[in-house]
Amino acid sequence: GAGVSQSPSNKVTEKGKDVELRCDPISGHTALYWYRQRLGQGLEFLIYFQGNSAPDKSGLPSDRFSAERTGESVSTLTIQRTQQEDSAVYLCASSPGLWDTQYFGPGTRLTVL
Amino acid sequence: AQKVTQAQTEISVVEKEDVTLDCVYETRDTTYYLFWYKQPPSGELVFLIRRNSFDEQNEISGRYSWNFQKSTSSFNFTITASQVVDSAVYFCALRSLVYGGATNKLIFGTGTLLAVQP
Repeated sequence: GAGVSQSPSNKVTEKGKDVELRCDPISGHTALYWYRQRLGQGLEFLIYFQGNSAPDKSGLPSDRFSAERTGESVSTLTIQRTQQEDSAVYLCASSPGLWDTQYFGPGTRLTVL
Repeated sequence: AQKVTQAQTEISVVEKEDVTLDCVYETRDTTYYLFWYKQPPSGELVFLIRRNSFDEQNEISGRYSWNFQKSTSSFNFTITASQVVDSAVYFCALRSLVYGGATNKLIFGTGTLLAVQP
């Protein structure tokens, strides 16, 4: 079946602009996660959603970052007033349930000029 | 604290050689999961394996094998008879099950870049 999809695949923006990144999880997966991967580094957790529970936002680096998810469908990660240090690949993952294996999308490469 | 260490930044081997990727983890939890993911040049992370902390049996899947040793907090990954298509960055990750907590995040190591030369 279809995997996790993300759009856009690449985004170039100017410092100070806002960006929205989109994630479509695997159908039926109740849990959705966002991670950030800076060049040459491992993934850092940002936020996760599980059903209708309050999201775990403990990994968001600043209040410029926010994410939303409606039900068990699409999620958007918004970065306001982008900074150059926000340049990274943003990866989304979903899993059938809270403790299940996470399956990743192809990521959105964000470049802030 | 929870941490995953992949001390090998880059490894280069010639095709058909065996190669072992090291992973050492730290956690105070008694119940946890360990993972390996492969990230080929295309960028998408591919799930390879998940082990829980109560199952120390080694696992073999084709040319891949995993050695989990709680005594040394290690979860090493061996590729036998490596092939060019194995060239990728490999990540080890940890997820602790914190009772009563809300965390379900994966803690990743920094990855090991494996280059298999023809």
